[in-house]
Amino acid sequence: SQTIHQWPATLVQPVGSPLSLECTVEGTSNPNLYWYRQAAGRGLQLLFYSVGIGQISSEVPQNLSASRPQDRQFILSSKKLLLSDSGFYLCAWRTVSYEQYFGPGTRLTVT
Amino acid sequence: SQQGEEDPQALSIQEGENATMNCSYKTSINNLQWYRQNSGRGLVHLILIRSNEREKHSGRLRVTLDTSKKSSSLLITASRAADTASYFCATVLYSTLTFGKGTMLLVSP
Repeated sequence: SQTIHQWPATLVQPVGSPLSLECTVEGTSNPNLYWYRQAAGRGLQLLFYSVGIGQISSEVPQNLSASRPQDRQFILSSKKLLLSDSGFYLCAWRTVSYEQYFGPGTRLTVT
Repeated sequence: SQQGEEDPQALSIQEGENATMNCSYKTSINNLQWYRQNSGRGLVHLILIRSNEREKHSGRLRVTLDTSKKSSSLLITASRAADTASYFCATVLYSTLTFGKGTMLLVSP
């Protein structure tokens, strides 16, 4: 069965510091992968999605970037964090019928 | 902009009661999905209903879809304290899935 991992689970970083969040998927090949951000009490905002290695689509202009160096690895990065980057970051993969399966998430607090 | 909008934003009921949440959307869809999110956790896929379906059941869950009104409802029957969570609808059009802001359900023992 498919499993999706995210780490770290929580992160506290100062403003201006770099960021790297990792997501890996097991049990499926060539998955479509997604990064979402969820602000407190809000819905999910799609940040990036990837249909394959090296293929990244950005949904909103922002301080973040994404990369897909391997088939089942999806990385979210920032060179310099802003206070507004705080939130709950979720990685997901989708099935052929567009059901999405989410990782446990990373709680990022920028101080 | 968000495609799905859930109503109510928050719902508080007693164990054993039924909980109904609604979702309205603005454009055509291929399918509509419901997800649950426990506090501080990732979302869990509950059920998918296709645009040509009107009703679907899964255990204590019943989902309806009215494409003429662009709305869907999620009914949880005989609720339990463990059903306490946020519930999100998500619409799919072609390859895009868009989430609403969710309904927070509190089920008290």
